[in-house]
Amino acid sequence: GIQVEQSPPDLILQEGANSTLRCNFSDSVNNLQWFHQNPWGQLINLFYIPSGTKQNGRLSATTVATERYSLLYISSSQTTDSGVYFCAVRNTNAGKSTFGDGTTLTVKP
Amino acid sequence: EPEVTQTPSHQVTQMGQEVILRCVPISNHLYFYWYRQILGQKVEFLVSFYNNEISEKSEIFDDQFSVERPDGSNFTLKIRSTKLEDSAMYFCASTAGTGTIQTRKAYEQYFGPGTRLTVT
Repeated sequence: GIQVEQSPPDLILQEGANSTLRCNFSDSVNNLQWFHQNPWGQLINLFYIPSGTKQNGRLSATTVATERYSLLYISSSQTTDSGVYFCAVRNTNAGKSTFGDGTTLTVKP
Repeated sequence: EPEVTQTPSHQVTQMGQEVILRCVPISNHLYFYWYRQILGQKVEFLVSFYNNEISEKSEIFDDQFSVERPDGSNFTLKIRSTKLEDSAMYFCASTAGTGTIQTRKAYEQYFGPGTRLTVT
């Protein structure tokens, strides 16, 4: 099956810093989503981004499907950004999602 | 915005007991899924369901597990005889599919808030 690797596994930042999280995948994909898992365990959908670039406030994401990677950018980080960020991919439109291991982000005040 | 709901939010059960986790997918969605996440690990696929039948299942989804869409709105996951290792967060998800809404949203997967299952 498709392999998903996220890096770095852990990231510690000071409030206000910027960061880039990476997701590499081993095969072509039709769908890619980024999620933030909050302290209560809920998966918050950040971006549905099978290709191209999207922005939502301080967050943006870019997927280069031909090179099999996606990047999540967080600018001016806040303590509320802390948590685990997951990348999930699918190689069929309505098929199962394969998740990466996640990046644990800690933003210190 | 429509959302997937799950009940209960937390369930505690004794080993060997049967549990049913309930989900209400987004109305008019066609594809349904269950995932689980053992504490501290990544989210793993269990099963997908379409047109009233299982379309795909993982190795985890053995004979102890079953899914059902008993009516037009609910989607359930049953674990027949729970084991300690079934303790996890269980997520339900749904996807619209072609033609039901805007194309760009047709295959976005929407996740519910999860049910935390604790087996003692």
